[in-house]
Amino acid sequence: DGGITQSPKYLFRKEGQNVTLSCEQNLNHDAMYWYRQDPGQGLRLIYYSQIVNDFQKGDIAEGYSVSREKKESFPLTVTSAQKNPTAFYLCASSPTGGGNIQYFGAGTRLSVL
Amino acid sequence: AQSVTQLGSHVSVSEGALVLLRCNYSSSVPPYLFWYVQYPNQGLQLLLKYTTGATLVKGINGFEAEFKKSETSFHLTKPSAHMSDAAEYFCAVSEGGTSYGKLTFGQGTILTVHP
Repeated sequence: DGGITQSPKYLFRKEGQNVTLSCEQNLNHDAMYWYRQDPGQGLRLIYYSQIVNDFQKGDIAEGYSVSREKKESFPLTVTSAQKNPTAFYLCASSPTGGGNIQYFGAGTRLSVL
Repeated sequence: AQSVTQLGSHVSVSEGALVLLRCNYSSSVPPYLFWYVQYPNQGLQLLLKYTTGATLVKGINGFEAEFKKSETSFHLTKPSAHMSDAAEYFCAVSEGGTSYGKLTFGQGTILTVHP
């Protein structure tokens, strides 16, 4: 089945630690996105990538980093500089000329120990 | 710049009653508009979208929405609520006519359905 796989489903971070969230898609989509979701705040864009080896900051990129070495993969690293990382993280992808529809993974819930 | 306002963070209806979730947007260019649904601890699923053409769009699970340019609105409706409709709903906007659309989301509306 085609889709977007996020792992792990739950993740715990210790103080001062970097953690990486995985996002893999087999939909052959060019664009991929990372969002952060906090209760009552909707989804906020962290980073997005329209093509391999290229990515742009979204609205809340501070404390996060990404890479896009393969079309299928867009991992997100939450660095120790992100002081409030507890949130639900959602990865999405969209095809070229797809009417801007984004398809979402099931999410990763990150908590701080 | 684009923005989305969803009126009412919580809406409660009885089973069988009309569902109305409100969404107003602002956009400097013709917009594409979307409604997504999210069940607890899951990702978002597309309910319906408006790009061009007919302003009344039908989606999955009996939902529909009407694009009203003069009111900058895209309200979501369903004639008869079902218990399985209980979820959080997000309205989103992107720039129309682009190949890659960044979405701007509203803050979400939690729908509760009472028996």
